[in-house]
Amino acid sequence: AQSVTQLDSHVSVSEGTPVLLRCNYSSSYSPSLFWYVQHPNKGLQLLLKYTSAATLVKGINGFEAEFKKSETSFHLTKPSAHMSDAAEYFCAPGGGSTLGRLYFGRGTQLTVWP
Amino acid sequence: GAVVSQHPSRVICKSGTSVKIECRSLDFQATTMFWYRQFPKQSLMLMATSNEGSKATYEQGVEKDKFLINHASLTLSTLTVTSAHPEDSSFYICSAPRPPGQGQGETQYFGPGTRLLVL
Repeated sequence: AQSVTQLDSHVSVSEGTPVLLRCNYSSSYSPSLFWYVQHPNKGLQLLLKYTSAATLVKGINGFEAEFKKSETSFHLTKPSAHMSDAAEYFCAPGGGSTLGRLYFGRGTQLTVWP
Repeated sequence: GAVVSQHPSRVICKSGTSVKIECRSLDFQATTMFWYRQFPKQSLMLMATSNEGSKATYEQGVEKDKFLINHASLTLSTLTVTSAHPEDSSFYICSAPRPPGQGQGETQYFGPGTRLLVL
């Protein structure tokens, strides 16, 4: 079974500085991995997904994540934070044989200071 | 625009009553939908997989008699919280994957969620 660990429950950055949200996965085989964002009172939105096609995955809103098998990591990064990036971010591995089953990490709350 | 809707967006009910939450895929057919619950400041927890035309598949620890799921059509799944109690108060979220072949490839869409408060 696949699982993920989000290493930080809360990350604070200043606007314009880089963002790093960490996610490690545990899997006995090549996983599919996702990053989602949840803004207050809004539905979850897919940022990006890794499905073994390329190790560096580019997503929406300037985010990207790199799959590193040697480190079992799939950290989410953005070169320059924007105030609108403040939200809850969830890492999730694809689960089971059914398309769409997701077992989310605990989440990382990103705060962006002006 | 939203491709998965939920109704109601929030509901308050008395302890012991039942509450039905609807999840609709708006512009695609979903043979499978998923239900999650999220407690404040916590992550989403997968509750069950809703299967059109067959029984739902529940995750370990989720009471199927407590959380009744009916996938009545290819665009509608309902979650009924039966005999609700205060500890059932939570944020319930559904999702529906758009299968390949129905436009835009494999993508999963989440509803905006339903906030349930049981008094």
